[in-house]
Amino acid sequence: QSALTQPPSASGSPGQSVTISCTGTSRDVGGYDYVTWYQQYPGKAPKLIIYEVTKRPSGVPNRFSGSKSGNTASLTVSGLQAEDEADYYCSSYAASNNLVFGGGTKLTVL
Amino acid sequence: QVQLQQWGAGLLKPSETLSLTCAVYGGSLSNYYWSWIRQTPGKGLEWIGEINHSGRTNYNPSLKSRVSISVDTSKNQFTLDLRSVTAADTAVYYCARGGSTPMVLVYWGQGTRVTVSS
Repeated sequence: QSALTQPPSASGSPGQSVTISCTGTSRDVGGYDYVTWYQQYPGKAPKLIIYEVTKRPSGVPNRFSGSKSGNTASLTVSGLQAEDEADYYCSSYAASNNLVFGGGTKLTVL
Repeated sequence: QVQLQQWGAGLLKPSETLSLTCAVYGGSLSNYYWSWIRQTPGKGLEWIGEINHSGRTNYNPSLKSRVSISVDTSKNQFTLDLRSVTAADTAVYYCARGGSTPMVLVYWGQGTRVTVSS
């Protein structure tokens, strides 16, 4: 059982927007602006796509955006493309120099 | 471009010690934290712990009693030791480099599948 809660699955048609939630507590998501999102394809290592809640590393399309309200963070993928079909994981810095992850969300592009 | 190359035994018996090493190419160990993470189908991603170039460590409280992470700056490598393994430790293990922000994993190794079975 993961520390952060994500929906197991999400889906959308090409061109649509999809939002994936990540719910924690005041000791992690709600307490720090250190929420991170990773994209993972089958058999591959995760790839950083959002850090510090809203920031995108160089090379990540601006179709990916992050936000946070209280103890829940969200990843929005706008203008869905077939290549966005992957697993998405959130993580958060937690109290006492700990890092916690969500259970992952499988995004399907219909 | 930073690259992480990891290796270690892929099959262990219960009670043995899991040992994995991660070599860093294209950069030094300085200025960042270096992490180990594992992934299982049932529990998803789990952070194991991290170390910096001077040997300062942080560990996941749930694994702290069995984990040691060490660094060898002369070889630009860091190592994970996980003692007294059980079947529950069967997973794909990744090494990763942090960023300028705490607990952000920027570069990842290729992953090593470790199976614990009698």
